[in-house]
Amino acid sequence: KAGVTQTPRYLIKTRGQQVTLSCSPISGHRSVSWYQQTPGQGLQFLFEYFSETQRNKGNFPGRFSGRQFSNSRSEMNVSTLELGDSALYLCASSLHQGGSNEQFFGPGTRLTVL
Amino acid sequence: GQNIDQPTEMTATEGAIVQINCTYQTSGFNGLFWYQQHAGEAPTFLSYNVLDGLEEKGRFSSFLSRSKGYSYLLLKELQMKDSASYLCAVERYGQNFVFGPGTRLSVLP
Repeated sequence: KAGVTQTPRYLIKTRGQQVTLSCSPISGHRSVSWYQQTPGQGLQFLFEYFSETQRNKGNFPGRFSGRQFSNSRSEMNVSTLELGDSALYLCASSLHQGGSNEQFFGPGTRLTVL
Repeated sequence: GQNIDQPTEMTATEGAIVQINCTYQTSGFNGLFWYQQHAGEAPTFLSYNVLDGLEEKGRFSSFLSRSKGYSYLLLKELQMKDSASYLCAVERYGQNFVFGPGTRLSVLP
């Protein structure tokens, strides 16, 4: 069974631009969560989608948004990029919502904002 | 609010035993995960605790005390490949995960 895939793996943007990252979960997994990882802040939860609905949202500004499609693939968008948005963005999928759900992480997209 | 604390760095010798602690304060606690993350790679699942007590899986064991808001990960017979960051993560009701800052473990020969 293929793992979680994320595209692109690396991205360089400039301040003020916008970016869209994509995540394909493990087949059959309906829950997709997004995280931002930086050396200073560690792994921080962005949002979680289940069956095309945003179920949970972390403490990030409205510039960060996401969506999930009927095939469970998910995208996240960051508008008006700032230097501080440079980070590794990780997507994780799990089988169900709630309960003891192990999350499987993708390799991440490393975003650099210049 | 919610808060998770772990030591920033630890060093141990190959073949030894190391215990990585995690303390947490959070509402809606559902369970606690431990993940391993090698530099430049994605986190991978190690263990999950929902009830008090010890869960053993090979060289790795994880302990949870819900009343004390405390967990630890025990690594036995340390190997060089165990050098990595270890992340403690609290699962809250509604599947909202809160991760600790991670503990960077260095295993020395």
